[in-house]
Amino acid sequence: SAVISQKPSRDICQRGTSLTIQCQVDSQVTMMFWYRQQPGQSLTLIATANQGSEATYESGFVIDKFPISRPNLTFSTLTVSNMSPEDSSIYLCSGGASGNTIYFGEGSWLTVV
Amino acid sequence: GENVEQHPSTLSVQEGDSAVIKCTYSDSASNYFPWYKQELGKRPQLIIDIRSNVGEKKDQRIAVTLNKTAKHFSLHITETQPEDSAVYFCAASITRGGNEKLTFGTGTRLTIIP
Repeated sequence: SAVISQKPSRDICQRGTSLTIQCQVDSQVTMMFWYRQQPGQSLTLIATANQGSEATYESGFVIDKFPISRPNLTFSTLTVSNMSPEDSSIYLCSGGASGNTIYFGEGSWLTVV
Repeated sequence: GENVEQHPSTLSVQEGDSAVIKCTYSDSASNYFPWYKQELGKRPQLIIDIRSNVGEKKDQRIAVTLNKTAKHFSLHITETQPEDSAVYFCAASITRGGNEKLTFGTGTRLTIIP
C-alpha cells in the first residue's frame, strides 16, 4: 500500500490566520487529492492537486481560500487561508495510482478559535 | 457530477449477526466502488473495493455486491464483532484521464451490541 504522511497532525489556530498542511507520498502515487471532513460528516473533495500546475477545484471551493501546490510528484501543500471557526475540520490528503486504490493520510485536525 | 446516497445512517446489530449497508450512485460511468472504515479519531481505511466488471467480491467476513443496472452496491459484514463498530463510507469514482476522484456517501455508523 502507498505511504502518505501529513503534517501537522493537529493544530489550534487563531481566527484570521492561515495554516499550511504538508503531504508527502511515496513513489507509487500519481494522483493526489485534498478532502475536508467536517465534524460528524462525510468526506468532501476540495481539489485535485496537479503536478506543476494549478489545482482543479470542486464546486464550492476556491483557490483564494484553499491554495494548493504540488511542485513535484510526491509532495503537495494545502493552505487554509483567513480561517474562521467554520474551517474547523479534518483535512485529509489522499493519493493513489490510476486504476489502483486511493489511500489517505492520517489527517490534519484543525480547530479555529 | 456524481451523487452517492448511503443508507442507513445508523445501524445497530447484535454481535454475531450480519450487517448490510447500501449505496446508490447516479453516474452510470462510475467504475470503481470502494468501502472505507473510519474508527473514531482515525483516518478512513479501505476495507474492500469492487470494479464494474465484477458483480461480487468477498474477503473473509466482508463482501460487496454491485448491480450496475440498478446503480447500487452493498456492503455485507457477517458474524459481526465488537471491533466492527465504526463509521463506514461507500464511494464511487469515474476514471477521467487517469483522475479517479472519489465521491463519498454520507456514512453509516455501525454499532455492534455485545
